[in-house]
Amino acid sequence: EAGVTQFPSHSVIEKGQTVTLRCDPISGHDNLYWYRRVMGKEIKFLLHFVKESKQDESGMPNNRFLAERTGGTYSTLKVQPAELEDSGVYFCASGPQGFHNSPLHFGNGTRLTVT
Amino acid sequence: AQSVTQLGSHVSVSEGALVLLRCNYSSSVPPYLFWYVQYPNQGLQLLLKYTTGATLVKGINGFEAEFKKSETSFHLTKPSAHMSDAAEYFCAVSLQGAQKLVFGQGTRLTINP
Repeated sequence: EAGVTQFPSHSVIEKGQTVTLRCDPISGHDNLYWYRRVMGKEIKFLLHFVKESKQDESGMPNNRFLAERTGGTYSTLKVQPAELEDSGVYFCASGPQGFHNSPLHFGNGTRLTVT
Repeated sequence: AQSVTQLGSHVSVSEGALVLLRCNYSSSVPPYLFWYVQYPNQGLQLLLKYTTGATLVKGINGFEAEFKKSETSFHLTKPSAHMSDAAEYFCAVSLQGAQKLVFGQGTRLTINP
């Protein structure tokens, strides 16, 4: 089966610009998660979808970040406008059910650099 | 609130030597515990997890970890390191019923020939 796909793999943008990251989960996985690792620090939770519904968005840093999952398939994470501190690696993960019962499958991440 | 501390951001061992990666957690209730590995240019992969039951958990690639409640620890070990074990390792916790992971800062493991 195809794994979790994220693109772009790298993005370099200027401060103030907009960037949209995309995640294609494994087909049939209702649960989709976004995580972020900033500057070599710990990986932090951003939000969790079940199908198209946001179950938990407590990790979203501020209202410059908008995540969507229309139709319960792929998800996008838009940063508008981007700030320097948004630089980091954004990971997407998916699972058929809660990760306590089945492993999460992570994508390779999108490395975002804001200059 | 939960937190995870991984002692040592970088660990270097010789091929064939014991691998010991330390993880301590802070949680008001017994959490679920995980170890993930990230190989270069890849996503995170689950090595092993502890939820309930036996406190010694075996994972993939010869790794194992032991949950010690009294020490609030979940250290990862492998008896004999292989060059292919070079990667970054992440300890993580979650509360029962919570669908989010809290990660440690990661430990980069280097294997010397």
